[in-house]
Amino acid sequence: EAAVTQSPRNKVTVTGGNVTLSCRQTNSHNYMYWYRQDTGHGLRLIHYSYGAGNLQIGDVPDGYKATRTTQEDFFLLLELASPSQTSLYFCASSRDWAYEQYFGPGTRLTVL
Amino acid sequence: SQWGEENLQALSIQEGEDVTMNCSYKTYTTVVQWYRQKSGKGPAQLILIRSNEREKRSGRLRATLDTSSQSSSLSITGTLATDTAVYFCATDANTNKVVFGTGTRLQVLP
Repeated sequence: EAAVTQSPRNKVTVTGGNVTLSCRQTNSHNYMYWYRQDTGHGLRLIHYSYGAGNLQIGDVPDGYKATRTTQEDFFLLLELASPSQTSLYFCASSRDWAYEQYFGPGTRLTVL
Repeated sequence: SQWGEENLQALSIQEGEDVTMNCSYKTYTTVVQWYRQKSGKGPAQLILIRSNEREKRSGRLRATLDTSSQSSSLSITGTLATDTAVYFCATDANTNKVVFGTGTRLQVLP
């Protein structure tokens, strides 16, 4: 079964802080995704990638950068965190865009 | 804007009942995926149905797709308390990314 891990699981930072969320998948999937989940909005796509070095903009990219360093690793960067970025963040991977996505356990980020 | 929207936000039923959740989408989609998210967990896919399919079953689950009305449904027969979760449909609007609806919260009472 696909395995997607995220770290940290919980993070608290202050406004203006620098945060990096990490995601690793071990199933040789091509696609990786970062979502945020907020009450009333469901899952919203921030950035995604279809391979190492590739980055595609999602639906809510403002204030976020991402980098795919290897096929396994995908990072989400918040360089000047704001309270509006307080959310539950999920990473996911899939073989291709029209295939099942496997989600990690999530990272709860609080920006004070 | 959401390309796929579940028609009901919340449902509460008794264990053993059958339930159907609906999803409507705004434009052509290549696939419709149904996911379930239990409390404290990430979503997990239940069923993927492609545009050339009308129905797909998996155990107690049945998904349908009506491309003419741009809608999909997910039915669960003989619900269990463990089916309590949020259910999402996800569509792609013929692009190379998937967009999730806001979800239907299902509570199954024992």
